[in-house]
Amino acid sequence: LAKTTQPISMDSYEGQEVNITCSHNNIATNDYITWYQQFPSQGPRFIIQGYKTKVTNEVASLFIPADRKSSTLSLPRVSLSDTAVYYCLVGDRATNAGKSTFGDGTTLTVKP
Amino acid sequence: GAVVSQHPSRVICKSGTSVKIECRSLDFQATTMFWYRQFPKQSLMLMATSNEGSKATYEQGVEKDKFLINHASLTLSTLTVTSAHPEDSSFYICSAREEGASSYNSPLHFGNGTRLTVT
Repeated sequence: LAKTTQPISMDSYEGQEVNITCSHNNIATNDYITWYQQFPSQGPRFIIQGYKTKVTNEVASLFIPADRKSSTLSLPRVSLSDTAVYYCLVGDRATNAGKSTFGDGTTLTVKP
Repeated sequence: GAVVSQHPSRVICKSGTSVKIECRSLDFQATTMFWYRQFPKQSLMLMATSNEGSKATYEQGVEKDKFLINHASLTLSTLTVTSAHPEDSSFYICSAREEGASSYNSPLHFGNGTRLTVT
C-alpha cells in the first residue's frame, strides 16, 4: 500500500485559496488518488479523485504532476466551514481488496 | 450519491458486555466493506475487511475473536465488540465502494461513525 505524507496542519483566512500537497512516492501504476474531508465525530466525506493531470469539481481541484509522486488539493475561497481534517488516499480497488491506508491527514484551520 | 448508513451513532455500555454496530449501503451493493477505529486526534486505523459470504480479513494486531464481523448480505455488515472494556472506547467507522464495472475505482463512501463508550 502506498504511503502518503501530508503537512500536519495549515492555517488560512476566509476567502483565500488553500493548497494542500500530499507526497506518495511509491504510488503504483493502477493507483488513484482520492481526497477526503473529515469533521469532528463524523465519517470522512469524499472530495475529489484523480489519476493524472488536473481534475476539477464544484468544490475543489486536484493537480497531479506527470510523475504522480505527489498531488495538490486546491480549495478556492475557503470559508470557516472548511475547517476540517483533509486526507489523501492512494489505492486501487482491484488490489489489496481495494483497501487504502489513511495517513495522518492535514488539519486545516480557517480563521475569520 | 451513494450513501452508507451506520447505526447506532452513539452507544454507552458497561464493561464486559457486547455491542453490535451496523453498516448498511443504502442505494448500492457492496461485496466488500471496511471497518476502522479512530482515537481522538488520530487518523483512521483500518481494522478489517468485511467480505460478503465469507470470513473477514483482519489487520495485524486486531483480535478477530474480540471484533466479530458478519457480512451476510450485499448491503449489510456488522461489527460486534465482544466483552467490551474501557480501552475499546473509540470512534468506529465503516466504509464501502459501489460495485460494478461502471464504478471501477469509485471512491470509498463512509458511514457517520459510532461513538462507543465503555464504562
